[in-house]
Amino acid sequence: SQKIEQNSEALNIQEGKTATLTCNYTNYSPAYLQWYRQDPGRGPVFLLLIRENEKEKRKERLKVTFDTTLKQSLFHITASQPADSATYLCALDMGGGYQKVTFGTGTKLQVIP
Amino acid sequence: DTAVSQTPKYLVTQMGNDKSIKCEQNLGHDTMYWYKQDSKKFLKIMFSYNNKELIINETVPNRFSPKSPDKAHLNLHINSLELGDSAVYFCASSQGWGPQGEKLFFGSGTQLSVL
Repeated sequence: SQKIEQNSEALNIQEGKTATLTCNYTNYSPAYLQWYRQDPGRGPVFLLLIRENEKEKRKERLKVTFDTTLKQSLFHITASQPADSATYLCALDMGGGYQKVTFGTGTKLQVIP
Repeated sequence: DTAVSQTPKYLVTQMGNDKSIKCEQNLGHDTMYWYKQDSKKFLKIMFSYNNKELIINETVPNRFSPKSPDKAHLNLHINSLELGDSAVYFCASSQGWGPQGEKLFFGSGTQLSVL
C-alpha cells in the first residue's frame, strides 16, 4: 500500500536559518504533490502544489522540489521566522481518476528566536 | 466570511449515541470531503462527494453516513458511537475532483470525544 513518510516528527531551527522538511513516498507515482500548513486547533492550509513534470516551485520564502526518481519532495522555508512554527504536511493524490489526497504524518517545525 | 464552516467545534457524547456534524462551504466548489485526524495527527480521507454524488468511500464503517443535500453542504452522521471514533473530523472542499490537482480548503475541525 502507499506509504508517505515525513522524516522528522519535529524539527527545531534558529530564526533566520533555512528549514528543510522531507517527504518520501513508496509504491506509487503521483501526478502531483502538495504541501499544507496546520496550526494547533485549525484545519490544514494549502501552501504549494508541484506536478510530476516540475522540478521546483517557489512562493515567497517557500520552495518545493519534487524528485520522482527518488520518490521524494523537499520543502524549504528560507529566512525562517517564529511565525513559521507549525506542523507541515505533505500530501499526494492516490489516483484512480478521482482526487483522493492522502497526507503524510507531518513535521512539527519550531523556529526559535 | 468563513469559506468552509463546520459545526459543532466540540462534541462530547456517550458511547452508543448518534450524532451529526454539519459542513457548509461558500466557495462555489463542486467537491467536498470528510477527513479524520486521529490522536497521532494522521489525516485520513473518509468520503468525497462531487455535486451531491458520492465518489470516494474509504472503507469507513457503515455507522458513518455522509449526506449531501446540495453541493454546498456535506453532513456526517455517526450511529452507535464507539470510543475509537474519538478524533478530529475535518470537512474540506475543492473546485474539482480530477487528477489535475486541486487544492483543498479545510474547515477548522470538530473535536469528537466519545466517553
